[in-house]
Amino acid sequence: LAKTTQPISMDSYEGQEVNITCSHNNIATNDYITWYQQFPSQGPRFIIQGYKTKVTNEVASLFIPADRKSSTLSLPRVSLSDTAVYYCLVVEGGFQKLVFGTGTRLLVSP
Amino acid sequence: DTAVSQTPKYLVTQMGNDKSIKCEQNLGHDTMYWYKQDSKKFLKIMFSYNNKELIINETVPNRFSPKSPDKAHLNLHINSLELGDSAVYFCASGVGSYEQYFGPGTRLTVT
Repeated sequence: LAKTTQPISMDSYEGQEVNITCSHNNIATNDYITWYQQFPSQGPRFIIQGYKTKVTNEVASLFIPADRKSSTLSLPRVSLSDTAVYYCLVVEGGFQKLVFGTGTRLLVSP
Repeated sequence: DTAVSQTPKYLVTQMGNDKSIKCEQNLGHDTMYWYKQDSKKFLKIMFSYNNKELIINETVPNRFSPKSPDKAHLNLHINSLELGDSAVYFCASGVGSYEQYFGPGTRLTVT
């Protein structure tokens, strides 16, 4: 299983770019990386997924280096409403295993 | 319209009881999941069902049993509840495992 490790918490201010890194040293060849956002008392919400290099959508970018042993979720110009817990998820072995990271609690201040 | 719904939202019960949590999705997805989130916010998969067949079962006690009457429903039945079962249980659905849609969660408290 690809164990994932994330920072427990991060602090930022409105308007700044935030980068959250997830470590997944044992990632396998056919594993994908996805990120989810969770607000208090709600279920997680899908943000982005990727396999290698860079993926960008309307809310975030995902950077994955060539060795794929880590990934970085980038949130441009965060706002107060981005305060949440962010989970890195490695989808393993053709959907046979789903391993969530420990989550990073992001606090955005005015 | 709610994409993934769960009932009940809160469930308080005593040790030893049997309870069920219901989940329904109206997204037409083939795969549904149950997750457990403990007090430390760790999110762990319990089961997934693809076209009514169990494809993942993560070392969950056999007191927990998923039941899927059809593709849109995946219910979770728990026998002989224990204090350690207290947690928030999330249902999710998806096309494959990459992008999953989660329900609002069911907070189970065992006293």
